[in-house]
Amino acid sequence: AQSVTQLDSQVPVFEEAPVELRCNYSSSVSVYLFWYVQYPNQGLQLLLKYLSGSTLVESINGFEAEFNKSQTSFHLRKPSVHISDTAEYFCAVRGYNNNDMRFGAGTRLTVKP
Amino acid sequence: NAGVTQTPKFQVLKTGQSMTLQCAQDMNHEYMSWYRQDPGMGLRLIHYSVGAGITDQGEVPNGYNVSRSTTEDFPLRLLSAAPSQTSVYFCASRPGRPASYTFGSGTRLTVV
Repeated sequence: AQSVTQLDSQVPVFEEAPVELRCNYSSSVSVYLFWYVQYPNQGLQLLLKYLSGSTLVESINGFEAEFNKSQTSFHLRKPSVHISDTAEYFCAVRGYNNNDMRFGAGTRLTVKP
Repeated sequence: NAGVTQTPKFQVLKTGQSMTLQCAQDMNHEYMSWYRQDPGMGLRLIHYSVGAGITDQGEVPNGYNVSRSTTEDFPLRLLSAAPSQTSVYFCASRPGRPASYTFGSGTRLTVV
């Protein structure tokens, strides 16, 4: 089975500062990787995904993540955050031939004015 | 297009009671899963299904049953509720690989 480690449980940053949320995974097979965002009292929404091809993937609201196979990482970055980015972010992994998806414990991003 | 619909949104149970959490999707997705979310632990997989009539266990299956009689529905049954099952439950579905899951809005369950 696969597993995911999110290295920071909480990340406080000021508005317009850059941010990186770290994610490492473990797997003996090739994987698909995902970042989901959860706003307070809501379900999970897909932020971005790596399925194949280019290792740098981007979301529509300015986030990006890079799949690094040698370091087994999929860190999420944004060059300038907004107050509205305050949420919990979950990294997830699924093996090519597996039918279940495993999540990290989550990183709570708090953007301060 | 409703996506993934979960009912109820909130539920309080007494220890020992049983209940069924409903999940329905209208996207004709093959794969469906149930997760529970607890503070500091992320989401943990309870059970999943790869198609009608086929289910399998995830990380934390004890105390829960599932069935998949149709493509659309994937109910989760709590056999005898315990306080340790107090959690937020999410149902999710996806089409064949490769693809990401679409999540429902969740059911907040409290067992007293």
